[in-house]
Amino acid sequence: VQLVESGGGLVQPGRSLRLACAASGFTFDDFAMNWVRQAPGKGLEWVSGISWNSLTVGYVDSVKGRFTISRDNAKNSVYLQMNSLRVEDTALYYCAKDISLGLNGFDYWGQGILVTVSS
Amino acid sequence: DIQMTQSPTSLSASVGDRVTITCRASQSISTHLNWYQQKPGKVPKLLIYAASSLHSEVPSRFSGSGSGTDFTLTISSLQPEDFATYYCQQSHSTPALTFGGGTKVEIK
Repeated sequence: VQLVESGGGLVQPGRSLRLACAASGFTFDDFAMNWVRQAPGKGLEWVSGISWNSLTVGYVDSVKGRFTISRDNAKNSVYLQMNSLRVEDTALYYCAKDISLGLNGFDYWGQGILVTVSS
Repeated sequence: DIQMTQSPTSLSASVGDRVTITCRASQSISTHLNWYQQKPGKVPKLLIYAASSLHSEVPSRFSGSGSGTDFTLTISSLQPEDFATYYCQQSHSTPALTFGGGTKVEIK
């Protein structure tokens, strides 16, 4: 299993970024996918998840209305569109494969991509 | 929202010690509870899923138990490679998942 994140970087507050995660080594459309973040020196925070068929999505309250998760099973990829970014969104963002079709837990993780929101 | 509270937040232990970490949910979550290990600068790893099932290739010295609101992660004999931060995570309120705050296991 390999998960490779891309799209991170430095962005000003209020701007947007789109993260992408390319997956390989497993049958992508058999599993839900998630984004988990970790602010510098802090603990893990689940951000968003999407079921295998995109019918079920979830978000942590702090990003609802600002972030949108999506997936393309034909491209074995999952995305996180992040709008109206805030300083407190600064974190290492991990793409994580779920252990099931729905949103349950995370058995494989990417190396993470850094998002820094600062003026 | 379901809150997950871990205790202690940190502990010091010696190689060979039996270590127990507790995770408490703010409401019943059945056995919808997973445990992860994260070493400094590394990616988290799944240890236990569904409260007590060992993930593949995880050493048998790790075990999980509990149901409802109270859960424990036990390391039967602490090894040098086990010094890390451990997190619980609930999936009962899917599609809203939450982690506990973490427990750092340090060398005594």
